Amino acid sequence: QQPVQSPQAVILREGEDAVINCSSSKALYSVHWYRQKHGEAPVFLMILLKGGEQKGHEKISASFNEKKQQSSLYLTASQLSYSGTYFCGTAIQGAQKLVFGQGTRLTINP
Amino acid sequence: DGGITQSPKYLFRKEGQNVTLSCEQNLNHDAMYWYRQDPGQGLRLIYYSQIVNDFQKGDIAEGYSVSREKKESFPLTVTSAQKNPTAFYLCASSTVAKNIQYFGAGTRLSVL
Repeated sequence: QQPVQSPQAVILREGEDAVINCSSSKALYSVHWYRQKHGEAPVFLMILLKGGEQKGHEKISASFNEKKQQSSLYLTASQLSYSGTYFCGTAIQGAQKLVFGQGTRLTINP
Repeated sequence: DGGITQSPKYLFRKEGQNVTLSCEQNLNHDAMYWYRQDPGQGLRLIYYSQIVNDFQKGDIAEGYSVSREKKESFPLTVTSAQKNPTAFYLCASSTVAKNIQYFGAGTRLSVL
C-alpha cells in the first residue's frame, strides 16, 4: 500500500526550514528517503530501521516514530541546492521491494 | 567508477512496436528493479529481480517483460500490449540485505 506524503508541495525562501511527512497504515520494516532533481535519477539520502530512531546531520535529518508508521524529513536552514522532489520509500517485513510515496516538491527561492 | 548505466537516454516507439531498454550495473548488486515515473508522479514498480534467472512482477507489470540472464544486466521490453508507454523509466539496483537502491539516469520513452 502506497505511503502518503505531505505536503505535496512547499515553497520556501533560502534559510527557512521544512518538514516532509510520510505515513503508512501498516507498521513498516524500514523507511528510505530520496531526492530527485528535475529530469535526473533519485539519489538516496538515508534509511531508518528502528522505531524512535533519528538520523542525519544538522541540516538534513529524519525520524521514525515508535510505532514505525510515520517518518519525517527535516530540512534546516534550506539552501538553493535542496530544491527537488523528495520521496519516501517504504518496506514491510520480509519484502524486498520498496513502495514509494507520491513525492513532495520542494522549491527554494533566493 | 561503479554505477548503473541505462541506455538509450531517449527512445521513440512506433505503434505496434516492441522496444527494449537497457540497464547494466557494475556494483555487484544481486537485486535489480524497473520503475515507471509519469509527470508529477511517484515511482511505480514494474518488475524486480533478486537473483539471476528469477524475477517478480511489480504493481504495473502488464505490457512489460524482463529477463535476468546475467547478474549485471536487467533489460526491460515495452511490448505493443502497453497502450500508454510514454513515461520516464528508471532502473535501480541494491544489495538484498540492505535494499538501499541506486538509480540509473533513466530512459525517456515517447510514442511517435
